[in-house]
Amino acid sequence: GQSLEQPSEVTAVEGAIVQINCTYQTSGFYGLSWYQQHDGGAPTFLSYNALDGLEETGRFSSFLSRSDSYGYLLLQELQMKDSASYFCGLYNFNKFYFGSGTKLNVKP
Amino acid sequence: ETGVTQTPRHLVMGMTNKKSLKCEQHLGHNAMYWYKQSAKKPLELMFVYSLEERVENNSVPSRFSPECPNSSHLFLHLHTLQPEDSALYLCASSQEYSLSGASSYEQYFGPGTRLTVT
Repeated sequence: GQSLEQPSEVTAVEGAIVQINCTYQTSGFYGLSWYQQHDGGAPTFLSYNALDGLEETGRFSSFLSRSDSYGYLLLQELQMKDSASYFCGLYNFNKFYFGSGTKLNVKP
Repeated sequence: ETGVTQTPRHLVMGMTNKKSLKCEQHLGHNAMYWYKQSAKKPLELMFVYSLEERVENNSVPSRFSPECPNSSHLFLHLHTLQPEDSALYLCASSQEYSLSGASSYEQYFGPGTRLTVT
């Protein structure tokens, strides 16, 4: 099947900016999505990129580059509550695929 | 109630038991999904229903049997499970099931059922 690669863990300080990358090996997919999941909680939808470029939603932005086979989630003005796991997902050949998730630790 | 609810939240069952997981969405969505989430592994899509019709079956063992009686309810019937089936089972819904539209990507998840098979 397809694979999406993400770093397993990232640590940053409050107020900083952090970028979580997602690389994939596939083509012809419809779009890339991002979800946030707090420990013990349900995943919540953050963003979706159908086209190349940057999508901004408040402090969070998501980027897609099909030519480079990667996307990223950018979190600005980090807050303690942003400590969670973040995973990317795409749809290809009638299947949804997701990355293993990146655990973000925000330190004071 | 709002959003997507799942019951039970925790379930312990033996390998010979039969149990069912229930999911209900109060969002008026037309598509519902079952996912399996194991520690340190990617989220695995198990089943997709659109307007009560199954549209995907991702090679899931027959010991997992889904049922969608209407667009608001989704069940996962379990029988003769194995210890490796222990995981968090998540239900989700989206406005519609569209291969190209953002509405499929914007999924709303329930809190999950933590299943332990002994």
